[in-house]
Amino acid sequence: NAGVTQTPKFQVLKTGQSMTLQCAQDMNHNSMYWYRQDPGMGLRLIYYSASEGTTDKGEVPNGYNVSRLNKREFSLRLESAAPSQTSVYFCASSEEGTLGGYTFGSGTRLTVV
Amino acid sequence: GENVEQHPSTLSVQEGDSAVIKCTYSDSASNYFPWYKQELGKRPQLIIDIRSNVGEKKDQRIAVTLNKTAKHFSLHITETQPEDSAVYFCAASKSGNTPLVFGKGTRLSVIA
Repeated sequence: NAGVTQTPKFQVLKTGQSMTLQCAQDMNHNSMYWYRQDPGMGLRLIYYSASEGTTDKGEVPNGYNVSRLNKREFSLRLESAAPSQTSVYFCASSEEGTLGGYTFGSGTRLTVV
Repeated sequence: GENVEQHPSTLSVQEGDSAVIKCTYSDSASNYFPWYKQELGKRPQLIIDIRSNVGEKKDQRIAVTLNKTAKHFSLHITETQPEDSAVYFCAASKSGNTPLVFGKGTRLSVIA
């Protein structure tokens, strides 16, 4: 059981470049989430998907888009990267809502120069 | 929406002493309160959680207490060990499909 798998683990982008962060879970969870973690700011929600076919904005959605490709996969796209998007990105999944808490992926450390 | 405040931001204790981290939340409808531990360079991992129908929950050296009237909950770690050194996050949410809102974290250092 891999749990939640994120790729890539590290990425450096130039300002204006685009990229997609991939996330997949094998726990048959309904809900999936993308958070960003910045020093002193905790974990802030970017987007989430309560179930396959639905997505909703979180606290900091600007500059990002998401796709819930199927029940297993939830991707995060940066269309035109900015230095303010330098962060560690975590994907997470959970059963219906927050029952049982989240399982996090190992994170993607993104640097935009 | 929900707002979660966490204190202190840093905490240093001597090995064997107790550590207490406190969180307050704003939405009285919140009813699920987990705590996560994040070691350096690792992912956050759930260590304990509590739901609003109980006031306290224990798991070996860690415990969480909840005061719904005052809208605050706390993490208690007894007999601290160096491996307890990490960043701890509290969070809150309503049941159903409402995402967790996290506090800003507490960096706990246990000094041997």
